[in-house]
Amino acid sequence: ILNVEQSPQSLHVQEGDSTNFTCSFPSSNFYALHWYRWETAKSPEALFVMTLNGDEKKKGRISATLNTKEGYSYLYIKGSQPEDSATYLCAPLDRGFKTIFGAGTRLFVKA
Amino acid sequence: DSGVTQTPKHLITATGQRVTLRCSPRSGDLSVYWYQQSLDQGLQFLIHYYNGEERAKGNILERFSAQQFPDLHSELNLSSLELGDSALYFCASSVVGNNEQFFGPGTRLTVL
Repeated sequence: ILNVEQSPQSLHVQEGDSTNFTCSFPSSNFYALHWYRWETAKSPEALFVMTLNGDEKKKGRISATLNTKEGYSYLYIKGSQPEDSATYLCAPLDRGFKTIFGAGTRLFVKA
Repeated sequence: DSGVTQTPKHLITATGQRVTLRCSPRSGDLSVYWYQQSLDQGLQFLIHYYNGEERAKGNILERFSAQQFPDLHSELNLSSLELGDSALYFCASSVVGNNEQFFGPGTRLTVL
């Protein structure tokens, strides 16, 4: 895996807004994709592990989709809350078990 | 609390020195990963061990080495330290290679 891109770099939304971010990765040699939530001064926390093309996972107000053929994943947050403010990282894993983290999308939710 | 422990929490040392960072995975987890987060940079994958064997290597410098012991704890050894090695070093563990990873609190290394 050579390059992982996440967009946008940062996002400011109002409480109650729904939002989504993108993670793009090379589709060749793909094995799995991890999404993490990383709050300031804490450790990254796993949100989802996705492996199959077309996978869709949900945890509360957060959901994610995966397209391994075109090499992208979307993360959606419905009805953002101030406690959702964090950096969201995606990390694809290749068949050699190497992983590269994206730079993340920094979400700020204003009350 | 993820269940992953790292010691020490902070480490301050001088250039040229050698340090060892320690990680104890969650009970039952066989995989251990090491990551580095330097100032203003994202997380960089260093190395992955599974049940005592090296599984994958990332951008780990030759001055750095790691191992996973029979009790599954892992150590990351950093030698001939340079100023640029100052970073937050995270350890994570998972049951197997592609399962969700649980991160420890990190060790902050400062090289003066």
